[in-house]
Amino acid sequence: QKEVEQNSGPLSVPEGAIASLNCTYSDRGSQSFFWYRQYSGKSPELIMSIYSNGDKEDGRFTAQLNKASQYVSLLIRDSQPSDSATYLCAVIRPDAGGTSYGKLTFGQGTILTVHP
Amino acid sequence: DGGITQSPKYLFRKEGQNVTLSCEQNLNHDAMYWYRQDPGQGLRLIYYSQIVNDFQKGDIAEGYSVSREKKESFPLTVTSAQKNPTAFYLCASSSGTGSEQYFGPGTRLTVT
Repeated sequence: QKEVEQNSGPLSVPEGAIASLNCTYSDRGSQSFFWYRQYSGKSPELIMSIYSNGDKEDGRFTAQLNKASQYVSLLIRDSQPSDSATYLCAVIRPDAGGTSYGKLTFGQGTILTVHP
Repeated sequence: DGGITQSPKYLFRKEGQNVTLSCEQNLNHDAMYWYRQDPGQGLRLIYYSQIVNDFQKGDIAEGYSVSREKKESFPLTVTSAQKNPTAFYLCASSSGTGSEQYFGPGTRLTVT
C-alpha cells in the first residue's frame, strides 16, 4: 500500500463545475496535510493546509479531513481553466521515534483539466 | 521580497562530473529541504536540515551531499556516484517541523 495515494485521474471538468480531488494515507499518526498545485514545468505551490478534522475553506477551495477514515480531499468550486494543473496531496508523518521532522510524503498527483 | 531562489534554472553536465545546485531563502526559516521529482514518481526527499550545521539524510541520499553553513543557504551537490541524476530538483523551507513548506522555482538538471 502506498503511503499517500491519490485518485489517478486525469480529471476533466467543465468550467464552473466543482472539481473533487481525493487522497488517502496509510499512517494513522500523520498530523499535517497539505494540497499543492503544480503547473507544468513549475514548482509546487501551496494552496491549502489542514491539521484537524473537518472542513477548511479558502476562497473557492475547501479542504476536508477525516482522520478516522484516513482521508483528505480538496474541492474546487467554480472551476476555471486556470485551475488546470497537477494537484499534489502531501502528508507529514512522524518518524520511527514518534517525532516529526517535517518530512513531506507526496502522492503521485492528480492531473485536473478544466475545459471551457 | 521574501522567497526562495534556486540557481541555475537549467543545468547540463557530462557524466562523471560533480555539480552543485544553489538554494537561498530570505524567509528566516530554520528548516530546509531538497527534493527530487521524476516523471510519474512524485517528489522524493533527498536531504533536510533543521538548523545550521546539521542535516539528515532523506529517502534517497545516495550520491548526494549537502552543507548548511548559513541559515539562508542549503546547497546540494550531485556527485558522479548518483546513478540517475537527470531530474527536476526542488528546494523547500519551513519555519519549523510540521509547518507548511514553500518551494523554490527548481533546477532542471540534465546529465548526458
